Amino acid sequence: AQSVSQHNHHVILSEAASLELGCNYSYGGTVNLFWYVQYPGQHLQLLLKYFSGDPLVKGIKGFEAEFIKSKFSFNLRKPSVQWSDTAEYFCAVKGNTDKLIFGTGTRLQVFP
Amino acid sequence: EAGVVQSPRYKIIEKKQPVAFWCNPISGHNTLYWYLQNLGQGPELLIRYENEEAVDDSQLPKDRFSAERLKGVDSTLKIQPAELGDSAVYLCASSLDGQGEAFFGQGTRLTVV
Repeated sequence: AQSVSQHNHHVILSEAASLELGCNYSYGGTVNLFWYVQYPGQHLQLLLKYFSGDPLVKGIKGFEAEFIKSKFSFNLRKPSVQWSDTAEYFCAVKGNTDKLIFGTGTRLQVFP
Repeated sequence: EAGVVQSPRYKIIEKKQPVAFWCNPISGHNTLYWYLQNLGQGPELLIRYENEEAVDDSQLPKDRFSAERLKGVDSTLKIQPAELGDSAVYLCASSLDGQGEAFFGQGTRLTVV
């Protein structure tokens, strides 16, 4: 069965610090990978996605993620966070069953 | 383009009462999902529709939960009777064809007292 693990439950950073959020999945076949963000009081929005091709994908607001197939990982990165990045971040994976499975989320707090 | 619309946004009911949630997906989206999200957790899939067919309802507690998607457009999710443990946010999402990204609604926050 598919599963997604997010190692960091709560991350606290100062503005301009670099961010990396871990995501590992368990599924042996071809996967589509996603990072979603949920700002306070708002709905889930897509940050970026990987289907195939270049394993380094760039999303909105300066976020990027790297798919490392050998490590079953899809970590999210941002070189310099802003206060407005305070939100909850969810990694999600879709295998050949088309079932979109989410991780438990990482709460990011950025202080000015 | 309108997004996924859910109603109501908030619902408070007493335990053992029935409750229903409504979802209007993005026009043209064939795939519709219902998720449950508990506080501090990620969304958990309840049911997935391809058009009007429920293709994955393995996580839906069928003793008290039911869902329908008439004509392959709008969908309703019902709980009868509700239990205290059903308090959560119920999310609806839609996708063009099940392969791409899912677009989420604002969710319905259910409180069972």
